[in-house]
Amino acid sequence: DIRMTQSPSSLSASVGDRVTITCRASQSVSTNLNWYQQKPGKAPNLLIYTSSNLQSGVPSRFSGSGSETDFTLTISSLQPEDFATYYCQQSYSTPSTFGQGTRLEIK
Amino acid sequence: VQLVESGGALVQTGGSLRLTCSASEFTFSNYGMTWVRQAPGKGLEWVSFISSRGVSTYYADSVKGRFTISRDNSKNTLYLQMNSLRGEDTAIYYCAKCPGGSSGWYIRTFDYWGHGTLVTVAS
Repeated sequence: DIRMTQSPSSLSASVGDRVTITCRASQSVSTNLNWYQQKPGKAPNLLIYTSSNLQSGVPSRFSGSGSETDFTLTISSLQPEDFATYYCQQSYSTPSTFGQGTRLEIK
Repeated sequence: VQLVESGGALVQTGGSLRLTCSASEFTFSNYGMTWVRQAPGKGLEWVSFISSRGVSTYYADSVKGRFTISRDNSKNTLYLQMNSLRGEDTAIYYCAKCPGGSSGWYIRTFDYWGHGTLVTVAS
């Protein structure tokens, strides 16, 4: 199975900050990498698919990049509603696997 | 898109349970569907996938041989039959829609999720 590792595991930031979360795959997944946001008590929500494509309805302050084994999720200017846990997930092969999550907290 | 899970409950170790996901507001028969679970306070784990017509199914090793995914396109409903339940199966189970029907990254991307149903396995 492909192992996904996110860093950092947790992050404190302020409204208006630019934030970057990284995700590394244990082997190449090409650009088959998705990002999800999950708020407490809620289901995950797809933000970015195939590395850099913004899911419909997701604000443009979210962006993704990367290929092969190294990927980033960037939030250009944090808003209060962005404080949540973020997961990367590889869609390259079955079983699909998730990173352990990055918890983004208010500083 | 609306996905509503049901069937979660407290069950004894070794017991069985069937989860149901009722879908609406989209053409259910055109899309692959999946189950993803999340143990309390933990991350996400993919469990199982079924193709749009039910021809292809895939399972995580952790549930293979114990869980069975199925669908009834006439009823817009997805199922997960869970047998021989263990403590480590305790989790919220989410059904999710895939943006495609049968192959490629489409079947491993989850664009809409239900609210989840809690399964608790106790000894």
